[in-house]
Amino acid sequence: QKEVEQNSGPLSVPEGAIASLNCTYSDRGSQSFFWYRQYSGKSPELIMFIYSNGDKEDGRFTAQLNKASQYVSLLIRDSQPSDSATYLCAVNEGYGNKLVFGAGTILRVKS
Amino acid sequence: GAVVSQHPSRVICKSGTSVKIECRSLDFQATTMFWYRQFPKKSLMLMATSNEGSKATYEQGVEKDKFLINHASLTLSTLTVTSAHPEDSSFYICSARSARGTLYEQFFGPGTRLTVL
Repeated sequence: QKEVEQNSGPLSVPEGAIASLNCTYSDRGSQSFFWYRQYSGKSPELIMFIYSNGDKEDGRFTAQLNKASQYVSLLIRDSQPSDSATYLCAVNEGYGNKLVFGAGTILRVKS
Repeated sequence: GAVVSQHPSRVICKSGTSVKIECRSLDFQATTMFWYRQFPKKSLMLMATSNEGSKATYEQGVEKDKFLINHASLTLSTLTVTSAHPEDSSFYICSARSARGTLYEQFFGPGTRLTVL
């Protein structure tokens, strides 16, 4: 069974701080990694995806991937109260279509 | 672009009835659609993967005769919960993968909240 592990949180950060969200995965064959944000009662929305080792930046968001350590993270700079949500890490299963989701980390940004 | 709609957004039904949920990709053709279920404060659980024109592939533990999936066109997939019972009450979410999109990127619909009385 392929697994994606996330700390459930909640992770609390003050407004303007950097929020760091972490994810580990078990399938070494995974090629694609995604971060989704899910507000309460809503469906997930894609924030970022990353395929290659290293960092990928998009606005206030930076995704980091380390395939050797089977680790992917999401940094949110200048955190805002509107960033408060559950962040889901998703990893493709081997070479298939399917995504395996972690349980999510609850982020709370306090103003 | 890459908008996915679901209908209805919320449904309440009596135990024993069947409920159909539609998932549409509005501005792209979806070669593959996925159906997920999410219980409160839990993560997404993949129920099945459907490819246009072929039978759906169900995840282990998901009853294919209870959760009927039809992917009749490149823009429409339906999930029918047959003989629904209170334990089927959940948040059902579909996603679609574009034929032209990044390899594994999925776009999610807004979800359907099913309550079975």
